[in-house]
Amino acid sequence: EDKVVQSPLSLVVHEGDTVTLNCSYEVTNFRSLLWYKQEKKAPTFLFMLTSSGIEKKSGRLSSILDKKELFSILNITATQTGDSAVYLCAVDNTNAGKSTFGDGTTLTVKP
Amino acid sequence: DGGITQSPKYLFRKEGQNVTLSCEQNLNHDAMYWYRQDPGQGLRLIYYSQIVNDFQKGDIAEGYSVSREKKESFPLTVTSAQKNPTAFYLCASSIYGTGGLVRVSSGANVLTFGAGSRLTVL
Repeated sequence: EDKVVQSPLSLVVHEGDTVTLNCSYEVTNFRSLLWYKQEKKAPTFLFMLTSSGIEKKSGRLSSILDKKELFSILNITATQTGDSAVYLCAVDNTNAGKSTFGDGTTLTVKP
Repeated sequence: DGGITQSPKYLFRKEGQNVTLSCEQNLNHDAMYWYRQDPGQGLRLIYYSQIVNDFQKGDIAEGYSVSREKKESFPLTVTSAQKNPTAFYLCASSIYGTGGLVRVSSGANVLTFGAGSRLTVL
């Protein structure tokens, strides 16, 4: 059974701090790892990672995948209150055609 | 604008009643999914469908049923057999759901979500 574990489960920081969110996984036929941001209701897509060592970057957010050690990190630099959200990590199983999600990391950024 | 519409946004149900949650997409996506989210937890897959007239059970299918008669629609019925139905339900779609036929670099497996339906059992 595919499994995704995220850590920490929750995190409280102040504006301007840098945070690192972790995602480790076990999947029988890895296709890709995806990060989503959920602010209120609908999760929105952030990154998709398929290859080790290649950093994906979007503004203050970046993510990298290590397929040997089976984990990914999501970095957010110079955090803002608008970054407060639940960050979800998911892995795709090639054979199953579906994504398995972790429990998410709840990030709270205080002014 | 293309997207996924879920209805109703809020629903109250008495114990013993079946309820149906609607999910409609106009993205021309092949695959559709239903996830359940409980407080402080991630998304757990209930059912998914990769093509019309076909669907598969996810990890927590007991007490739920679905149909996929049209590409655009994937309604979820929460039956009275579901012992703890109070939760937030998210519908999603992706361009393709079937492994092996997907060019991963195309982003075909990226999920687009609806705004969710919150079901409360009284």
